[in-house]
Amino acid sequence: GNSVTQMEGPVTLSEEAFLTINCTYTATGYPSLFWYVQYPGEGLQLLLKATKADDKGSNKGFEATYRKETTSFHLEKGSVQVSDSAVYFCALRSGAQKLVFGQGTRLTINP
Amino acid sequence: NAGVMQNPRHLVRRRGQEARLRCSPMKGHSHVYWYRQLPEEGLKFMVYLQKENIIDESGMPKERFSAEFPKEGPSILRIQQVVRGDSAAYFCASSPPSGGQGNTIYFGEGSWLTVV
Repeated sequence: GNSVTQMEGPVTLSEEAFLTINCTYTATGYPSLFWYVQYPGEGLQLLLKATKADDKGSNKGFEATYRKETTSFHLEKGSVQVSDSAVYFCALRSGAQKLVFGQGTRLTINP
Repeated sequence: NAGVMQNPRHLVRRRGQEARLRCSPMKGHSHVYWYRQLPEEGLKFMVYLQKENIIDESGMPKERFSAEFPKEGPSILRIQQVVRGDSAAYFCASSPPSGGQGNTIYFGEGSWLTVV
């Protein structure tokens, strides 16, 4: 079945540092890939997505590229801010099926 | 365009009582999903419904839990005879009919259930 594996957290960085959160997946066919972000006490917000190989999703300075050859969708940001502190979830969806999530990575940014 | 609406946001129940969580999908969305998030854990899929149909309930506990999405009105997740282990955040999500909006699923703000 489909599955997503995320880099284990927690991750702690200083403000303005470079961020990478690794995500790899196993899926049949050609899934769509997503990153969601969850701030404390809130629901999940879609951060970015990519629907086919080599697509790059981007939003709020975050980027992720759909790499079919390495079955990866790593999240990156060049310069993080304290306000980026949250839990980040990588997910995939095949067709009209349910979203399958990774375990989440808690990110803390210190000033 | 209102997002996915869940209520109540917070619910406290005593052991043995029933909990009912409601979810109104985004306008134009006909698919609803329920996920559960235990404290400090990830999201676990529970059930996927379309209007009047359960499509996938592979994540639903076999007892005490049920879900519906009637022709009219919100989707309901019902937990009977709650136990402390049911304390969690329950998230509802919705999506348009197959193929729409790049397959994106949108989430509500969640319902936090506390069993005392």
